[in-house]
Amino acid sequence: GAVVSQHPSWVICKSGTSVKIECRSLDFQATTMFWYRQFPKQSLMLMATSNEGSKATYEQGVEKDKFLINHASLTLSTLTVTSAHPEDSSFYICSASQGSSGANVLTFGAGSRLTVL
Amino acid sequence: DQQVKQNSPSLSVQEGRISILNCDYTNSMFDYFLWYKKYPAEGPTFLISISSIKDKNEDGRFTVFLNKSAKHLSLHIVPSQPGDSAVYFCAASISNFGNEKLTFGTGTRLTIIP
Repeated sequence: GAVVSQHPSWVICKSGTSVKIECRSLDFQATTMFWYRQFPKQSLMLMATSNEGSKATYEQGVEKDKFLINHASLTLSTLTVTSAHPEDSSFYICSASQGSSGANVLTFGAGSRLTVL
Repeated sequence: DQQVKQNSPSLSVQEGRISILNCDYTNSMFDYFLWYKKYPAEGPTFLISISSIKDKNEDGRFTVFLNKSAKHLSLHIVPSQPGDSAVYFCAASISNFGNEKLTFGTGTRLTIIP
């Protein structure tokens, strides 16, 4: 079946540094990838939609200059948290679409836990 | 504004019995609903879905019921098995905006007691 790999699975960084999280579709081409954030005891919140070769579409309230998304190929999207601060500590998860319509064909990565000291 | 709510953070059920997980939503524009299952250290995996034109969808041991007037859906698992122990997320989408854009609930941790 379709597999999405996220790396790193957890990362600890100092305040003010930037962190890059990768989302790879291993056995299919993902025209669209989605990035979510989950704070403790809250739901997965969609941050942005990433389309290969074009600019990401950000949800309301998500700073595009803070969370840089690059989808340079059909198998890789990256999320860079720039100048991270403790309030950015969260669980970040991506999902990838295989191109067919319908959310039931989304494949999720295992997530990346970011802790900013 | 939590548009999809799962009010029970956890649920314990005896093996062999029925597990019922509940989900409520507030946005009447939602017309497609999904349940995802998540094991620790893994991403959510799709379990079952239902369109608003139906009130029930069944797949093996899993059945999802939709009550549009109450803006409520539920997932029934019967009989429950130890492997069903996981976190279950309810999600909703508006098909006109693309079914892939999902709004999630906070999840319910289901524990099946052997």
